[in-house]
Formats: sequence, structure tokens, C-alpha cells
Amino acid sequence: KQEVTQIPAALSVPEGENLVLNCSFTDSAIYNLQWFRQDPGKGLTSLLLIQSSQREQTSGRLNASLDKSSGRSTLYIAASQPGDSATYLCAVRHTGNQFYFGTGTSLTVIP
Amino acid sequence: GAGVSQSPRYKVAKRGQDVALRCDPISGHVSLFWYQQALGQGPEFLTYFQNEAQLDKSGLPSDRFFAERPEGSVSTLKIQRTQQEDSAVYLCASSLGDRNGNTIYFGEGSWLTVV
Repeated sequence: KQEVTQIPAALSVPEGENLVLNCSFTDSAIYNLQWFRQDPGKGLTSLLLIQSSQREQTSGRLNASLDKSSGRSTLYIAASQPGDSATYLCAVRHTGNQFYFGTGTSLTVIP
Repeated sequence: GAGVSQSPRYKVAKRGQDVALRCDPISGHVSLFWYQQALGQGPEFLTYFQNEAQLDKSGLPSDRFFAERPEGSVSTLKIQRTQQEDSAVYLCASSLGDRNGNTIYFGEGSWLTVV
């Protein structure tokens, strides 16, 4: 079974800092990897989707990279803002239609 | 609709009661997923539908859990004889089709507490 790990579990940074969230997975035979944001009491909002053939995707201040062979992905957030405070989850799509999620990184951006 | 809609948002059930959770996916979305998310954990896969066909139910934790999507749109997740360990957020998600490039969209979840 695919295992997805996210480090760190929690992160607190001052406003304006750039930061990196890490995701690793045990089985590199994935179809794609998706980064989500979850606010307290809310569902998940998709941020970026990277196909297995791609190396990175960018959206605004967010950049996600994928190194399939080493089983790693990073989410880079530039110039962090208090509104970025949330839990960030990565999920890999492996065989079939299942997405395997990590346990998330809880981010707090301090004004 | 504009997004994935789930109801009820919050449900408190006495142990042993049956509950039914509803999901209304984005209009036209073929694929529908149910996930269970315990406090502080990532979502865990329960089941997957393509239109009305339940193609994967390998994540359903016991035979007390049952899901259906009879007309290929709205789906219902039913939990019979609820137990305390069933307390979790139940997330529904949909995507346009069964293709790797399709983004998956989640509802806000149904928060179930079994007392």
C-alpha cells in the first residue's frame, strides 16, 4: 500500500517568508500528485496537480515540484501571508482511482 | 451546482443508529469519491463511482457501510448501527472523468459524531 508522509507536521513563520513543505511517498509508480489546502471546518481545495510526466507546476505564489524517482514532492510558497494559514495536504494517485493522502502540514503565518 | 454539496453538515447519532449522508456532485461530473477523515489525519479512501457503477469499494471499513449512486448523480453513504469509531468527517469529491489529469473537487464534508 502506498504510504504518504508530510514533513513538518506543523510550521509557524513570520509574514513575508518563503517556505517549503515536503511530501514523500513510498511507491513511485504514481499517475499524478495533487496538493490541497484545508481550512478548519472546511473541505479540501485543490491547489496544484502535477502529472507523473511533469517536474513542476506553478500558480501565483505557489510552486510544486515532483521527483517521481525519489518519491518526493515539495510545495514552495513565496512571500507568505496570514491568509495562507491552513493545513496543506498532498495526495498521490496510484493504481485505480484511489488517492492516498498524507496527514498534512499545519501552517501558521504570523502577521 | 457550483460545487460539491454535502448534507447534513453536522450529525450527532446515538450508538446503534443508522445514518445517511448525501452528496450532490458538480453537474456533469462522472467520477464520485467518498473519503473518511479522522481528526488530525488525512482523508482515507472509502469508495469510488463512475456514473452509477460502484467500481471500487475496497476502502469501506465494514459491511455496516454502504454507498449508492443510483442515477449517476447524487450519492448516499449509509452507515448502519453506528459505532463510536465511526465518528469522523465524511468527504465527498467529484471529478469530470476517469482521467489522470482531472482535478478532484471536494465538498465541505459531513461531520459525524457518534455518542
